[in-house]
Amino acid sequence: DTEVTQTPKHLVMGMTNKKSLKCEQHMGHRAMYWYKQKAKKPPELMFVYSYEKLSINESVPSRFSPECPNSSLLNLHLHALQPEDSALYLCASSQDFSRDTQYFGPGTRLTVL
Amino acid sequence: QKEVEQNSGPLSVPEGAIASLNCTYSDRGSQSFFWYRQYSGKSPELIMFIYSNGDKEDGRFTAQLNKASQYVSLLIRDSQPSDSATYLCAVTRAAGNKLTFGGGTRVLVKP
Repeated sequence: DTEVTQTPKHLVMGMTNKKSLKCEQHMGHRAMYWYKQKAKKPPELMFVYSYEKLSINESVPSRFSPECPNSSLLNLHLHALQPEDSALYLCASSQDFSRDTQYFGPGTRLTVL
Repeated sequence: QKEVEQNSGPLSVPEGAIASLNCTYSDRGSQSFFWYRQYSGKSPELIMFIYSNGDKEDGRFTAQLNKASQYVSLLIRDSQPSDSATYLCAVTRAAGNKLTFGGGTRVLVKP
């Protein structure tokens, strides 16, 4: 089973709201990723967690705050977002942070008003 | 020069024909190569991965890797309308698993 789940599927929020995106996998993977994808563009890496520790932060603005509570869960906390942050947010996981296949979740479509 | 380059398309192929997609990469340290399919509004779905020079076949899909020439290709045989999607080429270096994506090739299979 190569399933990564994400909730919610869709999220509409105002610029003053605080919300969270959730990602879960039960494949025993030890690396988890957050990507952002704008329309007609490839996914852009935001964060990487390896063994529950933040390994990579691709200079993402502080209004995005990742959290890895345990090896199966990954959250992305959102605060004071801008309309240009509207995008598809994708979570992925892989066995570990080496050369290993990444499996993507279905994504959360975020709209910031 | 972009790190991973693909022709954006659209690549229009008749149903039943072979679709040929190409991807070039600039980093000679690249070790792992992936093809993902992405339908409009959906997330990327892994189709193939290849690590070694040569061909790798899986059903109607064949990935080809030539590290000396720094390209990887994907062939889709007996193309079906359901193959109409954007195909993303992605590459990682030896150390770490940071995927670098190409811009994607849009494929349109016409009945």
